[in-house]
Amino acid sequence: KAGVTQTPRYLIKTRGQQVTLSCSPISGHRSVSWYQQTPGQGLQFLFEYFSETQRNKGNFPGRFSGRQFSNSRSEMNVSTLELGDSALYLCASSFTGNYGYTFGSGTRLTVV
Amino acid sequence: KNEVEQSPQNLTAQEGEFITINCSYSVGISALHWLQQHPGGGIVSLFMLSSGKKKHGRLIATINIQEKHSSLHITASHPRDSAVYICAVRSLGETSGSRLTFGEGTQLTVNP
Repeated sequence: KAGVTQTPRYLIKTRGQQVTLSCSPISGHRSVSWYQQTPGQGLQFLFEYFSETQRNKGNFPGRFSGRQFSNSRSEMNVSTLELGDSALYLCASSFTGNYGYTFGSGTRLTVV
Repeated sequence: KNEVEQSPQNLTAQEGEFITINCSYSVGISALHWLQQHPGGGIVSLFMLSSGKKKHGRLIATINIQEKHSSLHITASHPRDSAVYICAVRSLGETSGSRLTFGEGTQLTVNP
C-alpha cells in the first residue's frame, strides 16, 4: 500500500514568488490536512480538505490556500512568498480526518 | 503559556533505560496524539488516546483526562528510538480531528 507522497521534497524560491506543493494521499483516504513546521513556531495546522471542500482552516494569512481534487490529491499554494515562509510543509491523510493519520515526508521550502 | 507543554525538551538515555516523556495541556480535549519525527522530517503517528492506556510493542501511552496530562513511556530503549516525540491535542468542539495543537517536542537521544 503506497504511503502519502509529497512533491517536491525540496524547493528554493525567491521572496515575492509563489509556490505550489502537492500531496497524494493513501488510496481511499478522503481527508488531507496540511501543517507548517518551523524552528520558531513548531508544528501548526494550516487547513484540511475533505471530499474537495475545505473543512477547517488554521490561523494563517490568505496567502496560504489549497484545494483538493476529485481523486483526493491536494495542493497548497503560497503566494507572495516571505522569508518567514521557509519551513517544512507536511501533509497527512486520513479516511475521515478523525483518526488514523498517515503523514508524508514533507516538502522543505526555503525562501531566499 | 502554550496550550500544550512537553517535558523534558531534551532527553539523553543509555540503551536499555526506561524513558518517560510528559505532556500537559490546558484545554478540554477529545483526543491526544503522540507522534514520532525522525531526522529528515517524516512523522509517524504512534498513538491516539481519549482515555486510559495503550501499548504497542515497547511503547506505552497513558492519559489522565482529569489532570490534563499524558505520558509516553519507552521500555528497553534502543538507539533507533532516537527521534523527536511530539504531543498533539484535538480540542473539544473541533469538528475535524485534523485540527491539532502541538507541543514543542522532546528530542530523545539513546546512546548505545
